[in-house]
Amino acid sequence: DGGITQSPKYLFRKEGQNVTLSCEQNLNHDAMYWYRQDPGQGLRLIYYSQIVNDFQKGDIAEGYSVSREKKESFPLTVTSAQKNPTAFYLCASNLGIGGIYGYTFGSGTRLTVV
Amino acid sequence: GNSVTQMEGPVTLSEEAFLTINCTYTATGYPSLFWYVQYPGEGLQLLLKATKADDKGSNKGFEATYRKETTSFHLEKGSVQVSDSAVYFCANFGNEKLTFGTGTRLTIIP
Repeated sequence: DGGITQSPKYLFRKEGQNVTLSCEQNLNHDAMYWYRQDPGQGLRLIYYSQIVNDFQKGDIAEGYSVSREKKESFPLTVTSAQKNPTAFYLCASNLGIGGIYGYTFGSGTRLTVV
Repeated sequence: GNSVTQMEGPVTLSEEAFLTINCTYTATGYPSLFWYVQYPGEGLQLLLKATKADDKGSNKGFEATYRKETTSFHLEKGSVQVSDSAVYFCANFGNEKLTFGTGTRLTIIP
């Protein structure tokens, strides 16, 4: 079955460390997105990519970095510069045709700084 | 830019009650509109969508109508079940990305 796989499901990080969250899709979607979810704040866009080797900052990109070397993969690195990284991170993708089909989401990664 | 405002939660209802969750939006042009549902510990699932004015999206007994005149996309269900307990997000697509509301937590009591 086609879908989006995020790994790991739970991740613990010590302060001052970088950590990379994985996102892989086999839907042949062009566009991919990373969102951060905090209680009571809904979803906030971190980065998005519409084609391979190209990506744009979202609303809260500071302290994060991404790469898009393959169509199927869009990893997110949470750097030590991110002041409050504990959150639930969601990856999504879509066909890129004006968004009329909506997004497909992964099951998320919960990151906790210890 | 695009924005979405949805009804503050939490909302608690008894089983078989009527549900309405309000959602209004601002956007340039005529964006596609969506409702997503999130069950505990999971990602978001598309519940329903509408792509133009007066369209009605429906799925699993839920409905929402794209109202251009009131810039609204309210979610309704005639008789809720315990299994409908989840967080519901309204969203619109514009400027190459989805913009979400803050979510409404719904709890259904048997």
